[in-house]
Amino acid sequence: EIVLTQSPATLSLSPGERATLSCRASQSVSSYLAWYQQKPGQAPRLLIYDASNRATGIPARFSGSGSGTDFTLTISSLEPEDFAVYYCQQRSNWQWTFGQGTKVEIK
Amino acid sequence: QVTLKESGPVLVKPTETLTLTCTVSGFSLSNARMGVSWIRQPPGKALEWLAHIFSNDEKSYSTSLKSRLTISKDTSKSQVVLTMTNMDPVDTATYYCARIQELSSSWYFDPWGQGTLVTVSS
Repeated sequence: EIVLTQSPATLSLSPGERATLSCRASQSVSSYLAWYQQKPGQAPRLLIYDASNRATGIPARFSGSGSGTDFTLTISSLEPEDFAVYYCQQRSNWQWTFGQGTKVEIK
Repeated sequence: QVTLKESGPVLVKPTETLTLTCTVSGFSLSNARMGVSWIRQPPGKALEWLAHIFSNDEKSYSTSLKSRLTISKDTSKSQVVLTMTNMDPVDTATYYCARIQELSSSWYFDPWGQGTLVTVSS
């Protein structure tokens, strides 16, 4: 099973600041990696797929990069609604795994 | 508009079998490029994928839970059912169903249902 490790666990930032979240895979997942956003009491929402493609309706301030084992989600300028938990996710051999999440909180 | 809605018991006793239903709308379970997965999230913890089913009835299960899970679908009712046997308090979680959609090069969960909280307690 491929393990995804996210860092940091918590990111404390102010609105308007840039957020950089990391996801590392225990073995190569090529570019088949997604990022989801989850707000308290809500279901996760797909943000980024195939490492760098924004899902429908996702603002341009969200961007993804990386391939192989190292991936990054960047939020260029944090809006108040962006404070949430972010998960990365991969699929290999029809087994999906998620990272443990990064919480982006207001500083 | 694509929606998914989970339903089932809010409380189950240890050793009992949990049966959850996901009712979908806005897409067909017979669509060749889509499927449905179940994913759970214990309170305050991370997401854990459980199982999936595709239109051709292809299924896959989490390796760690495979012996306890069964997934099935009723295309005419637009429903996907998950059963989990021998429930334990550690299985207390919010259970989500999500559409699996092929996007570009791979398959991803979009959208998700609202989730249903299942508590395991005697």
